[in-house]
Amino acid sequence: NAGVTQTPKFRVLKTGQSMTLLCAQDMNHEYMYWYRQDPGMGLRLIHYSVGEGTTAKGEVPDGYNVSRLKKQNFLLGLESAAPSQTSVYFCASRFPGGNVDEQFFGPGTRLTVL
Amino acid sequence: AQSVTQPDIHITVSEGASLELRCNYSYGATPYLFWYVQSPGQGLQLLLKYFSGDTLVQGIKGFEAEFKRSQSSFNLRKPSVHWSDAAEYFCAVARRQTGGFKTIFGAGTRLFVKA
Repeated sequence: NAGVTQTPKFRVLKTGQSMTLLCAQDMNHEYMYWYRQDPGMGLRLIHYSVGEGTTAKGEVPDGYNVSRLKKQNFLLGLESAAPSQTSVYFCASRFPGGNVDEQFFGPGTRLTVL
Repeated sequence: AQSVTQPDIHITVSEGASLELRCNYSYGATPYLFWYVQSPGQGLQLLLKYFSGDTLVQGIKGFEAEFKRSQSSFNLRKPSVHWSDAAEYFCAVARRQTGGFKTIFGAGTRLFVKA
Protein backbone atom coordinates (compact mmCIF):
# COMPACT_ATOMS: atom_id res chain seq x y z
CA ASN A 1 0.00 0.00 0.00
CA ALA A 2 1.95 3.02 -1.28
CA GLY A 3 -0.68 5.63 -0.28
CA VAL A 4 -0.43 8.78 -2.39
CA THR A 5 2.49 9.06 -4.80
CA GLN A 6 3.56 11.93 -7.02
CA THR A 7 5.81 12.09 -10.06
CA PRO A 8 8.14 13.75 -10.69
CA LYS A 9 9.69 14.85 -7.41
CA PHE A 10 11.56 17.78 -8.96
CA ARG A 11 11.33 19.62 -12.24
CA VAL A 12 12.81 22.74 -13.78
CA LEU A 13 10.97 24.35 -16.69
CA LYS A 14 11.55 27.34 -18.88
CA THR A 15 8.83 29.93 -19.26
CA GLY A 16 6.29 28.78 -21.80
CA GLN A 17 7.03 25.09 -21.52
CA SER A 18 4.33 22.62 -20.61
CA MET A 19 4.29 19.67 -18.25
CA THR A 20 2.02 17.27 -16.43
CA LEU A 21 2.25 16.25 -12.80
CA LEU A 22 0.90 12.83 -11.93
CA CYS A 23 -0.77 11.87 -8.69
CA ALA A 24 -1.69 8.28 -7.96
CA GLN A 25 -3.42 6.73 -4.96
CA ASP A 26 -4.08 3.11 -4.14
CA MET A 27 -6.59 3.63 -1.33
CA ASN A 28 -9.68 3.65 -3.55
CA HIS A 29 -10.40 7.23 -2.52
CA GLU A 30 -13.05 9.12 -4.44
CA TYR A 31 -11.86 12.63 -3.69
CA MET A 32 -8.56 13.98 -4.91
CA TYR A 33 -6.99 17.43 -4.63
CA TRP A 34 -4.13 19.48 -6.01
CA TYR A 35 -2.58 22.18 -3.81
CA ARG A 36 0.30 24.53 -4.19
CA GLN A 37 2.44 25.56 -1.24
CA ASP A 38 4.21 28.89 -1.18
CA PRO A 39 6.21 30.42 1.68
CA GLY A 40 3.99 32.21 4.19
CA MET A 41 0.80 31.20 2.42
CA GLY A 42 0.16 27.66 3.53
CA LEU A 43 -1.60 25.39 1.07
CA ARG A 44 -3.95 26.75 -1.55
CA LEU A 45 -6.34 24.54 -3.46
CA ILE A 46 -5.88 24.57 -7.24
CA HIS A 47 -8.39 21.98 -8.46
CA TYR A 48 -10.15 19.01 -7.01
CA SER A 49 -12.17 16.00 -8.07
CA VAL A 50 -15.01 14.22 -6.33
CA GLY A 51 -14.88 11.18 -8.56
CA GLU A 52 -13.69 9.66 -11.80
CA GLY A 53 -14.47 11.92 -14.74
CA THR A 54 -15.24 14.97 -12.58
CA THR A 55 -13.15 18.03 -11.78
CA ALA A 56 -13.79 21.39 -10.16
CA LYS A 57 -11.92 24.62 -9.61
CA GLY A 58 -10.41 25.50 -6.29
CA GLU A 59 -9.05 28.75 -4.96
CA VAL A 60 -6.26 29.36 -7.51
CA PRO A 61 -7.11 27.48 -10.74
CA ASP A 62 -5.79 29.92 -13.35
CA GLY A 63 -2.99 28.55 -15.50
CA TYR A 64 -3.70 24.93 -14.59
CA ASN A 65 -5.83 22.16 -15.98
CA VAL A 66 -6.65 18.76 -14.52
CA SER A 67 -8.02 15.43 -15.58
CA ARG A 68 -9.37 12.41 -13.70
CA LEU A 69 -9.76 9.71 -16.33
CA LYS A 70 -9.11 6.94 -13.83
CA LYS A 71 -10.19 6.88 -10.22
CA GLN A 72 -6.69 6.31 -8.94
CA ASN A 73 -5.01 9.06 -10.96
CA PHE A 74 -5.32 12.84 -10.90
CA LEU A 75 -3.23 14.80 -13.38
CA LEU A 76 -2.28 18.46 -13.10
CA GLY A 77 -1.22 20.20 -16.30
CA LEU A 78 0.58 23.44 -16.95
CA GLU A 79 0.10 24.40 -20.59
CA SER A 80 2.44 27.39 -20.60
CA ALA A 81 4.49 27.64 -17.45
CA ALA A 82 5.17 31.00 -15.84
CA PRO A 83 7.66 31.95 -13.09
CA SER A 84 4.68 32.61 -10.79
CA GLN A 85 3.99 28.89 -10.91
CA THR A 86 7.26 28.11 -9.16
CA SER A 87 6.03 26.29 -6.09
CA VAL A 88 5.75 22.97 -4.32
CA TYR A 89 2.72 21.02 -5.48
CA PHE A 90 0.93 18.54 -3.26
CA CYS A 91 -1.68 16.02 -4.15
CA ALA A 92 -4.10 14.67 -1.56
CA SER A 93 -6.98 12.24 -1.44
CA ARG A 94 -9.72 11.14 0.92
CA PHE A 95 -12.78 8.97 1.26
CA PRO A 96 -16.12 10.50 0.41
CA GLY A 97 -18.76 11.12 3.02
CA GLY A 98 -18.12 10.82 6.71
CA ASN A 99 -17.96 13.64 9.18
CA VAL A 100 -14.37 14.64 8.92
CA ASP A 101 -12.33 15.79 5.96
CA GLU A 102 -9.09 13.95 6.68
CA GLN A 103 -6.83 14.13 3.69
CA PHE A 104 -3.85 11.96 2.84
CA PHE A 105 -0.98 13.78 1.17
CA GLY A 106 1.67 12.83 -1.32
CA PRO A 107 5.34 13.81 -0.83
CA GLY A 108 5.15 16.81 -3.17
CA THR A 109 6.66 17.97 -6.45
CA ARG A 110 9.05 20.91 -6.40
CA LEU A 111 8.68 22.90 -9.62
CA THR A 112 10.90 25.77 -10.68
CA VAL A 113 10.01 27.89 -13.70
CA LEU A 114 12.85 30.01 -15.04
CA ALA B 1 -15.23 34.48 5.39
CA GLN B 2 -13.58 31.39 6.74
CA SER B 3 -9.94 31.87 7.74
CA VAL B 4 -7.18 30.31 9.79
CA THR B 5 -4.44 32.29 11.49
CA GLN B 6 -1.21 30.92 12.86
CA PRO B 7 0.35 33.97 14.51
CA ASP B 8 3.87 32.57 14.81
CA ILE B 9 5.83 32.09 11.61
CA HIS B 10 8.55 30.22 13.47
CA ILE B 11 9.26 29.12 17.02
CA THR B 12 12.44 27.82 18.62
CA VAL B 13 12.34 25.63 21.72
CA SER B 14 14.94 23.64 23.58
CA GLU B 15 14.79 19.88 23.48
CA GLY B 16 12.79 18.67 26.47
CA ALA B 17 10.91 21.92 26.85
CA SER B 18 7.17 22.25 26.42
CA LEU B 19 5.60 23.52 23.22
CA GLU B 20 2.46 25.38 22.31
CA LEU B 21 1.60 26.37 18.75
CA ARG B 22 -1.26 28.78 18.32
CA CYS B 23 -4.12 28.57 15.87
CA ASN B 24 -7.14 30.85 15.60
CA TYR B 25 -9.97 30.42 13.17
CA SER B 26 -12.86 32.43 11.89
CA TYR B 27 -15.97 30.46 11.14
CA GLY B 28 -19.61 30.84 12.15
CA ALA B 29 -20.49 27.32 13.16
CA THR B 30 -18.49 24.63 14.90
CA PRO B 31 -15.74 23.78 12.47
CA TYR B 32 -13.81 20.64 11.88
CA LEU B 33 -10.25 21.33 13.04
CA PHE B 34 -6.97 19.67 12.19
CA TRP B 35 -3.28 19.86 12.84
CA TYR B 36 -0.89 18.51 10.21
CA VAL B 37 2.89 18.19 10.38
CA GLN B 38 5.25 18.45 7.46
CA SER B 39 8.79 17.17 7.86
CA PRO B 40 11.40 18.54 5.46
CA GLY B 41 10.89 17.22 1.95
CA GLN B 42 7.75 15.33 2.93
CA GLY B 43 4.03 15.70 2.49
CA LEU B 44 1.65 16.61 5.28
CA GLN B 45 0.76 14.06 7.91
CA LEU B 46 -2.30 14.32 10.13
CA LEU B 47 -1.44 14.79 13.81
CA LEU B 48 -4.94 15.08 15.22
CA LYS B 49 -8.43 16.26 14.49
CA TYR B 50 -11.48 17.59 16.27
CA PHE B 51 -15.06 17.58 15.12
CA SER B 52 -17.14 17.08 18.25
CA GLY B 53 -17.09 15.80 21.81
CA ASP B 54 -14.22 16.21 24.24
CA THR B 55 -12.48 19.49 23.54
CA LEU B 56 -9.06 18.07 24.41
CA VAL B 57 -7.94 15.72 21.68
CA GLN B 58 -4.94 13.44 21.65
CA GLY B 59 -2.91 12.83 18.56
CA ILE B 60 0.09 10.92 17.40
CA LYS B 61 3.68 11.52 18.53
CA GLY B 62 2.55 12.78 21.96
CA PHE B 63 0.73 15.86 20.69
CA GLU B 64 -2.57 17.17 21.97
CA ALA B 65 -4.78 20.12 21.11
CA GLU B 66 -7.56 21.91 22.87
CA PHE B 67 -10.58 23.43 21.20
CA LYS B 68 -11.75 26.62 22.90
CA ARG B 69 -14.91 27.91 21.31
CA SER B 70 -14.92 31.15 23.30
CA GLN B 71 -11.47 32.03 21.96
CA SER B 72 -11.92 30.50 18.50
CA SER B 73 -8.68 28.68 19.08
CA PHE B 74 -7.25 25.22 18.58
CA ASN B 75 -3.74 25.33 20.02
CA LEU B 76 -1.35 22.42 19.68
CA ARG B 77 0.73 21.33 22.67
CA LYS B 78 3.41 18.88 23.59
CA PRO B 79 4.87 18.58 27.10
CA SER B 80 8.40 17.65 26.07
CA VAL B 81 9.77 18.34 22.62
CA HIS B 82 12.16 15.97 20.87
CA TRP B 83 14.66 16.97 18.19
CA SER B 84 12.67 14.92 15.69
CA ASP B 85 9.71 17.28 16.17
CA ALA B 86 11.47 19.96 14.15
CA ALA B 87 9.12 20.48 11.22
CA GLU B 88 6.44 22.78 9.91
CA TYR B 89 3.00 22.59 11.48
CA PHE B 90 -0.23 23.52 9.78
CA CYS B 91 -3.59 24.17 11.35
CA ALA B 92 -6.62 23.64 9.12
CA VAL B 93 -10.35 24.18 9.38
CA ALA B 94 -13.01 22.49 7.29
CA ARG B 95 -16.67 23.09 6.83
CA ARG B 96 -19.33 21.19 4.99
CA GLN B 97 -20.51 22.48 1.67
CA THR B 98 -22.37 21.09 -1.31
CA GLY B 99 -20.36 18.21 -2.69
CA GLY B 100 -18.14 17.74 0.33
CA PHE B 101 -15.93 19.91 2.50
CA LYS B 102 -14.00 23.10 2.06
CA THR B 103 -10.69 23.05 3.92
CA ILE B 104 -8.61 26.13 4.64
CA PHE B 105 -5.01 25.82 5.81
CA GLY B 106 -3.10 28.26 7.92
CA ALA B 107 0.23 29.64 6.71
CA GLY B 108 2.15 27.28 8.96
CA THR B 109 4.53 27.56 11.92
CA ARG B 110 8.05 26.26 11.55
CA LEU B 111 9.42 24.66 14.70
CA PHE B 112 13.13 24.66 15.40
CA VAL B 113 14.48 22.52 18.23
CA LYS B 114 17.80 23.36 19.82
CA ALA B 115 19.93 20.96 21.82
